Amino acid sequence: GAVVSQHPSWVICKSGTSVKIECRSLDFQATTMFWYRQFPKQSLMLMATSNEGSKATYEQGVEKDKFLINHASLTLSTLTVTSAHPEDSSFYICSARASLAATDTQYFGPGTRLTVL
Amino acid sequence: AQSVTQLDSQVPVFEEAPVELRCNYSSSVSVYLFWYVQYPNQGLQLLLKYLSGSTLVKGINGFEAEFNKSQTSFHLRKPSVHISDTAEYFCAVDTGRRALTFGSGTRLQVQP
Repeated sequence: GAVVSQHPSWVICKSGTSVKIECRSLDFQATTMFWYRQFPKQSLMLMATSNEGSKATYEQGVEKDKFLINHASLTLSTLTVTSAHPEDSSFYICSARASLAATDTQYFGPGTRLTVL
Repeated sequence: AQSVTQLDSQVPVFEEAPVELRCNYSSSVSVYLFWYVQYPNQGLQLLLKYLSGSTLVKGINGFEAEFNKSQTSFHLRKPSVHISDTAEYFCAVDTGRRALTFGSGTRLQVQP
């Protein structure tokens, strides 16, 4: 199947700093990418939907100024956690799909574990 | 709004025994249904999906699921589990937005 990568796989940062997470579709062009976060022993919660070349659509309760999403190309989306705080520590997972056709599979990245000290 | 309920947070089972992981959903519109597996510290891998057609869907690793519209269920089954099936399993729905709404997950623990 298709491959989606994330970088870094884990990151530790100090409170107040910003962290950028990359999500790449390696062997297909992703018109749409999604960002989820997962707290320990919990399910994935959708944060935002990212379409190439346009502004991301954020879910209710997700601060768009804190979680900056850029989808500049058909193979790359980035999530920047600005002024990170310990409560932002989580597992961030992206997913990508080539189109919005129902039959098109959504492929998930391996996740990035963020720890804010 | 749609929601997904996975009734069992943990399911312990012995190796080579059958298993069923339950999933119920609620939605006012037609849905597409998915089961994903997550191994520790990894992303999600698609096991199977229901889009239309036959209500019995076969997936990878010997898993299958049956869509029951009247009961709004999409239970996952495997006739004989292996130690390697130990993982977290997530049921999810797509109501057309193409983003997924996930259940809370079921931890399958296969014991020797």
